[in-house]
Amino acid sequence: NAGVTQTPKFRVLKTGQSMTLLCAQDMNHEYMYWYRQDPGMGLRLIHYSVGEGTTAKGEVPDGYNVSRLKKQNFLLGLESAAPSQTSVYFCASTPVGWNTEAFFGQGTRLTVV
Amino acid sequence: DAKTTQPPSMDCAEGRAANLPCNHSTISGNEYVYWYRQIHSQGPQYIIHGLKNNETNEMASLIITEDRKSSTLILPHATLRDTAVYYCIVLQSRSGGSNYKLTFGKGTLLTVNP
Repeated sequence: NAGVTQTPKFRVLKTGQSMTLLCAQDMNHEYMYWYRQDPGMGLRLIHYSVGEGTTAKGEVPDGYNVSRLKKQNFLLGLESAAPSQTSVYFCASTPVGWNTEAFFGQGTRLTVV
Repeated sequence: DAKTTQPPSMDCAEGRAANLPCNHSTISGNEYVYWYRQIHSQGPQYIIHGLKNNETNEMASLIITEDRKSSTLILPHATLRDTAVYYCIVLQSRSGGSNYKLTFGKGTLLTVNP
């Protein structure tokens, strides 16, 4: 099993450009999450999904959109990238909620110049 | 969910036990204590969790005080590869519902020295 796979691993964007980060899990998990992590900080929840076709806002949702059209995929979109969105993005999945072991991807390092 | 307090950093000698403390004085009866770690630049990794009894797995042991206001993660024989940031998290254990908001905080940077 691959677990949780994030693509791409690295990306440099110019201010105002758009892009989509893909998170794929092969464990048939219901819940999926997108976090961002800035230097010296803990992880902050951007958006999450409790099942196919559902999405909800986390702590820092502004400037991001998400979609969960298929159970195994959770997409994070930046419509107009800003330098403040320079960060490392992590995706995670759990069977149902956080009361079970969570599996994380290896991260996407995004730089907006 | 209850707030946790951890020391920002700790050192440990290779081969010795690493004892990482966590205070969660506002923990409620239905909240579990979870530990994750994040090795440099990688995604966080689940270690262990418990409610009130001590727990042990192949990675670590979790000791929770009787009043549940604090806990200690024990890595019995620390190696250089255990150098990481360790996060203590308190979370309600409910199937489904709104237990989505996992807050990591800044954790404890454990440095294992040769």
